[in-house]
Amino acid sequence: SQTIHQWPATLVQPVGSPLSLECTVEGTSNPNLYWYRQAAGRGLQLLFYSIGIGQISSEVPQNLSASRPQDRQFILSSKKLLLSDSGFYLCAWSVPPRLNTEAFFGQGTRLTVV
Amino acid sequence: GNSVTQMEGPVTLSEEAFLTINCTYTATGYPSLFWYVQYPGEGLQLLLKATKADDKGSNKGFEATYRKETTSFHLEKGSVQVSDSAVYFCALGMDSSYKLIFGSGTRLLVRP
Repeated sequence: SQTIHQWPATLVQPVGSPLSLECTVEGTSNPNLYWYRQAAGRGLQLLFYSIGIGQISSEVPQNLSASRPQDRQFILSSKKLLLSDSGFYLCAWSVPPRLNTEAFFGQGTRLTVV
Repeated sequence: GNSVTQMEGPVTLSEEAFLTINCTYTATGYPSLFWYVQYPGEGLQLLLKATKADDKGSNKGFEATYRKETTSFHLEKGSVQVSDSAVYFCALGMDSSYKLIFGSGTRLLVRP
């Protein structure tokens, strides 16, 4: 069966520090991969998605970047965190090639920038 | 563009009450529609889905019917439980896109 792992579960980082969140998927190959952010009390904002190794699409300009160094690994990064980067970050995957099937989500990372 | 609109929350109900959470969508073409649920501190889980008009998705006592004529996918449950307290997200996916578009979420609080 397919599983998705996301870590860490919680993170407190000072302003200006770097960030690296990792997500890995098991039990499937060539998945579509996604990073979403959920600000407190708000909906989900799609940040990045990837349809293959090294292929990253950015949805909104921001202080974050994403990379896909391996087929089932998706990394969210920042060189210098801002207070506004605080939120709940969710990784998800779906069966390619399209998204008319459901997406499967990780447990999320709660990031607090102080 | 494609979008999903959900009713504002929070929705507060007593146990065993009837639940409706409204969801309408705008899409060019024929989307698939989903309801996801997020329990406190967790990621999202798929609750139910429908892939074409007039389909009814159901799971754990929840139901939603894909209504093309009213572009709606309202979530219903006949008798809610305290354990149903969560945030519910309506979403759509298009065959022509890699992106799953979410509504803003509706928080449900069920009191004993």
